[in-house]
Amino acid sequence: QKEVEQNSGPLSVPEGAIASLNCTYSDRGSQSFFWYRQYSGKSPELIMSIYSNGDKEDGRFTSQLNKASQYVSLLIRDSQPSDSATYLCAVNAPNSGAGSYQLTFGKGTKLSVIP
Amino acid sequence: DAEITQSPRHKITETGRQVTLACHQTWNHNNMFWYRQDLGHGLRLIHYSYGVQDTNKGEVSDGYSVSRSNTEDLPLTLESAASSQTSVYFCASSDQTGWASPLHFGNGTRLTVT
Repeated sequence: QKEVEQNSGPLSVPEGAIASLNCTYSDRGSQSFFWYRQYSGKSPELIMSIYSNGDKEDGRFTSQLNKASQYVSLLIRDSQPSDSATYLCAVNAPNSGAGSYQLTFGKGTKLSVIP
Repeated sequence: DAEITQSPRHKITETGRQVTLACHQTWNHNNMFWYRQDLGHGLRLIHYSYGVQDTNKGEVSDGYSVSRSNTEDLPLTLESAASSQTSVYFCASSDQTGWASPLHFGNGTRLTVT
């Protein structure tokens, strides 16, 4: 059973601060990692993908991947009230013997940015 | 612009009825997926398809079925709706079967079984 764990939150940060969201995963064979943002009542929206160890930056978002520790994080700099949402971590790992991949989602971390 | 359209957006049905949720994508993606999302459980995979005539069971497939007769559509059928199937359902698609493929989601269908 592939597992993806996230702190459910809520995580509250003041406007302008850095929000740090964490995700751990169980399958050492995992090869790709995604962060989705989901506003209340809406569908998940892809905001970041990362495939190799290290940092990847996209605007105010930075994702950090450490495969040895089976850990991926998302940092949101200069947090805005519009960043208030649930952030889903998703991890792609190969299915044993099937030649295909399975994307497993964490349950999400709810972020609230306080004006 | 390419998109995934789900219909209906909201549906109320009675226990025991057959219900079909529609999913239509114009991305021309081979891969399509159905998830349900419930509080405390996150997104769980119901069924998926890697191409026309291909369907596969996900982790919560009991009571659900899909068929794939063309690239654009993957309808989800609840054979005999149960209250436990009250949920928000998301259809998604991706363009590759490899490890780098993110999913694109539809807007969701909120299903209530009374």
